[in-house]
Amino acid sequence: DAGITQSPRYKITETGRQVTLMCHQTWSHSYMFWYRQDLGHGLRLIYYSAAADITDKGEVPDGYVVSRSKTENFPLTLESATRSQTSVYFCASIGTEAFFGQGTRLTVV
Amino acid sequence: QQQVKQSPQSLIVQKGGISIINCAYENTAFDYFPWYQQFPGKGPALLIAIRPDVSEKKEGRFTISFNKSAKQFSLHIMDSQPGDSATYFCAAYSGAGSYQLTFGKGTKLSVIP
Repeated sequence: DAGITQSPRYKITETGRQVTLMCHQTWSHSYMFWYRQDLGHGLRLIYYSAAADITDKGEVPDGYVVSRSKTENFPLTLESATRSQTSVYFCASIGTEAFFGQGTRLTVV
Repeated sequence: QQQVKQSPQSLIVQKGGISIINCAYENTAFDYFPWYQQFPGKGPALLIAIRPDVSEKKEGRFTISFNKSAKQFSLHIMDSQPGDSATYFCAAYSGAGSYQLTFGKGTKLSVIP
């Protein structure tokens, strides 16, 4: 099925642990993005990628790492999770319009 | 700093009424202005979008009005229905840049019967 999928949909992790959120798109879009959504803040850009092996920081990149070895995948890693990283994370890709995944709800306890 | 300011934060409209959400931007390099609709537990989905060379775009009950000189744009939902109850985000990006969507903070719309 064509689209953009995120996994897992829900994740609970402990403070200090490393966690990776996965994002896969089937359109071969060049641009991909990670956003976090928090009440009162809307959607804020964490990192984006213009192509494989090209990534850049967004508005709130601290504590996150990304990679893009293949066009279709754009994983987001929290190297040492903190409670402030509890959020809903959305991956998106842009072709003629932006398409968003279903989101990953991450809770850091 | 790239910003998109959205108002109101929340909106309650009676069924059949008109819902109006407003946004203002600062960066004159923005050249694409989409609106997204988001239902609980779902990702944002494109509702309607406009480019700055037109002042209005209509799709069904949804209309974007765009005022380039004032750097403002708005979403009008005519004949609002309970199924329109969702959170709406305005956004903007520059196609000449990195296609980074900058979002407003969202408006939670409740349409009451």
